[in-house]
Amino acid sequence: DTGVSQNPRHKITKRGQNVTFRCDPISEHNRLYWYRQTLGQGPEFLTYFQNEAQLEKSRLLSDRFSAERPKGSFSTLEIQRTEQGDSAMYLCASIYRGVSTDTQYFGPGTRLTVL
Amino acid sequence: DAKTTQPPSMDCAEGRAANLPCNHSTISGNEYVYWYRQIHSQGPQYIIHGLKNNETNEMASLIITEDRKSSTLILPHATLRDTAVYYCIVRVVIVLSGNTGKLIFGQGTTLQVKP
Repeated sequence: DTGVSQNPRHKITKRGQNVTFRCDPISEHNRLYWYRQTLGQGPEFLTYFQNEAQLEKSRLLSDRFSAERPKGSFSTLEIQRTEQGDSAMYLCASIYRGVSTDTQYFGPGTRLTVL
Repeated sequence: DAKTTQPPSMDCAEGRAANLPCNHSTISGNEYVYWYRQIHSQGPQYIIHGLKNNETNEMASLIITEDRKSSTLILPHATLRDTAVYYCIVRVVIVLSGNTGKLIFGQGTTLQVKP
């Protein structure tokens, strides 16, 4: 257990529905990252937050995806009008920026299946 | 694209040392080598990282060649629980470079530890 939690762990939805995932980072970690991992591939970067500010978004993050981190604590990732291609594991990671080197600690992930 | 090259798969006998190679011939002077592993259906787990000196912790040892163009992760006494996908990643230090610190994963090496 790294201290990063994600909920739900599994989500099954029908195509066209909206889904929302939550990530609770390690306390006092000021950077939070979202990644997506499809079967047989390594995780791919989606977006990251420095406190409450979303500072970079990947081209993978289409306009159906939105992420927030209110008050710089937990974060949510919402997918609107889900498509079968959105089926993947969604991973969250956090770090504390401020030391000379830093290590991202990952949560267990949320596995999304779109039927 | 990932800046590292790893063999797609390796086998190791239980109790023996597992040596996982990684090539990173284009590594820059301000980039660290990180190793993560991912056990089936879990989030990636941090193992170890280094800049140019060899490193050891309770999980593994990291040997980096003098020219820093390749490295080897060593699991000294592999167990069945070490069966996982191992990712080698190069990344700049966030504090020094001011960049996102995102991790760019390749496809990793699938290590199968056999009894």
